[in-house]
Amino acid sequence: GAVVSQHPSRVICKSGTSVKIECRSLDFQATTMFWYRQFPKQSLMLMATSNEGSKATYEQGVEKDKFLINHASLTLSTLTVTSAHPEDSSFYICSARSSGVWDTQYFGPGTRLTVL
Amino acid sequence: GQQLNQSPQSMFIQEGEDVSMNCTSSSIFNTWLWYKQEPGEGPVLLIALYKAGELTSNGRLTAQFGITRKDSFLNISASIPSDVGIYFCAGLRDGGATNKLIFGTGTLLAVQP
Repeated sequence: GAVVSQHPSRVICKSGTSVKIECRSLDFQATTMFWYRQFPKQSLMLMATSNEGSKATYEQGVEKDKFLINHASLTLSTLTVTSAHPEDSSFYICSARSSGVWDTQYFGPGTRLTVL
Repeated sequence: GQQLNQSPQSMFIQEGEDVSMNCTSSSIFNTWLWYKQEPGEGPVLLIALYKAGELTSNGRLTAQFGITRKDSFLNISASIPSDVGIYFCAGLRDGGATNKLIFGTGTLLAVQP
């Protein structure tokens, strides 16, 4: 199946700093990528939809100025958590949409963010 | 945000037993997907269902797309210890470029050797 990578896999930062997470589709081009957040023992909640070359679409309740998304190429999307606070600590997962007959999403391995 | 209802919430079974879990929604979906997530990892796609009534197998896994398009179930036969994980259903309603997935609440599966 299609491969999606994320970097870093884990990051610990101080409160008030910004953190950038990369999501790459390694063997296919993804015009659309998605960013999810997952708190412990909970399901995945969609944060935003990232379209190559255009502005991201954010879900209700997600602050676009806090979670900056850039989708500069067909294989890379980045999520920057600005001025991170402890409540932003979570598991962030991206997915990339593979178009075609088996039109579905392939997920990255996730990034564990801990804000001290 | 919206979530799909999955049941049971958790299952603790013996190796070799069959497992059944289901997912329901109050609204219609055009595609149902089943994912498995292991600790510290992203979800991995198990089965995708594209037509109402469709029954699809992937090894020991079988999933069905409900006729009403509001539900789906996943069966695992002859469970083994490596089946341990959290199983999520996901529904896809919108077509075109958006394709937003709505995830279920998850079913935690524990298999005792």
